[in-house]
Amino acid sequence: GEDVEQSLFLSVREGDSSVINCTYTDSSSTYLYWYKQEPGAGLQLLTYIFSNMDMKQDQRLTVLLNKKDKHLSLRIADTQTGDSAIYFCAESPPSGGYNKLIFGAGTRLAVHP
Amino acid sequence: ETGVTQTPRHLVMGMTNKKSLKCEQHLGHNAMYWYKQSAKKPLELMFVYNFKEQTENNSVPSRFSPECPNSSHLFLHLHTLQPEDSALYLCASSQDNAVAANYGYTFGSGTRLTVV
Repeated sequence: GEDVEQSLFLSVREGDSSVINCTYTDSSSTYLYWYKQEPGAGLQLLTYIFSNMDMKQDQRLTVLLNKKDKHLSLRIADTQTGDSAIYFCAESPPSGGYNKLIFGAGTRLAVHP
Repeated sequence: ETGVTQTPRHLVMGMTNKKSLKCEQHLGHNAMYWYKQSAKKPLELMFVYNFKEQTENNSVPSRFSPECPNSSHLFLHLHTLQPEDSALYLCASSQDNAVAANYGYTFGSGTRLTVV
């Protein structure tokens, strides 16, 4: 079945690192994505990782991929109050020639002083 | 603005009403999607249109009826909805080919629907 799972809530102190975890189901997904949703807005692509990579770093963001365990994580270094948002993990199983994304429920990140 | 515009931003409707949600993109994308976002649940993919043809309908009740007149516009027609249909309805678009897959989707800001 298609099921992307994430914990629903994470609270961190400003300046600390945040780690948001995700498990996905389809090992044939070509790309795995992290999206960010701020209040009153749609989802914005934050970063992605190609399935043949195990790590990708982009400024304060580090994505780790463990294909064997189908586990994806997003680490945000030096977390700021502006990082408070809902973070969605998504997989992209092959599906008849178009780019179908399956999302999790989202992890709400709360950053406190 | 992300390039995907949804109207209206908020909608309150009675269970016997008929209304439509509109989505528009001028990004040159050829695939468009409707998602339903409910609290604490995964985003639910409802419909997919690829080059104006519906390629996926995820067992969505017939009270939701999509329409894609061209590759830039997508509608979701609503009639005789239930209170449990209250949610944020998100539209997205993408350039649908393997080369562009790493760009993912571009989402609109959504329509917050309340059924009373």
